Amino acid sequence: GENVEQHPSTLSVQEGDSAVIKCTYSDSASNYFPWYKQELGKRPQLIIDIRSNVGEKKDQRIAVTLNKTAKHFSLHITETQPEDSAVYFCAASKGSGYALNFGKGTSLLVTP
Amino acid sequence: GAVVSQHPSWVICKSGTSVKIECRSLDFQATTMFWYRQFPKQSLMLMATSNEGSKATYEQGVEKDKFLINHASLTLSTLTVTSAHPEDSSFYICSARNTDGWNQPQHFGDGTRLSIL
Repeated sequence: GENVEQHPSTLSVQEGDSAVIKCTYSDSASNYFPWYKQELGKRPQLIIDIRSNVGEKKDQRIAVTLNKTAKHFSLHITETQPEDSAVYFCAASKGSGYALNFGKGTSLLVTP
Repeated sequence: GAVVSQHPSWVICKSGTSVKIECRSLDFQATTMFWYRQFPKQSLMLMATSNEGSKATYEQGVEKDKFLINHASLTLSTLTVTSAHPEDSSFYICSARNTDGWNQPQHFGDGTRLSIL
């Protein structure tokens, strides 16, 4: 089955700096890679996703890059703000209609 | 749009009790819903895939007789934790995807925090 590795497990940055979270996956059949933000005790919320037919996608301060050959994808948050502090999960699946295989999560702390 | 409602949000009950959790897609139809479990400070682990009108598909290690799933309509899936024990205490979250449209993402419910005493 699919195995998703996520690094780092914790990340602390100063407000205004960039944050990068990296994930690798094992199943070459995976072609859908969403990123979720989860605040304590709340539901995971989709912040951005990318499919295997593109290498990069951007939405304001958030961007995701995908390297299918190397089987890794990354989340980039620029100009971080304290409200970006949360746990971020990457996931991989064969499509948005399939079950998601999650990474272990990255706890991001943005300090003022 | 794409709202998934989960109920109840918090359950505290005695060991041996059965608990039913509901997952509803409020403004779309979902032929497939997913049930995940999340222990404190851990990731979401898929428990089972709930299919409307047919049997659920369980992940390895998940007891189908303990975690009963029913997906009787296109907008409702239920998870029943039978004879719950303290080790079943966890955060249970469902997700659903609007199948009316291509490449619709999955959306999660608010989750149910289950505490077994």
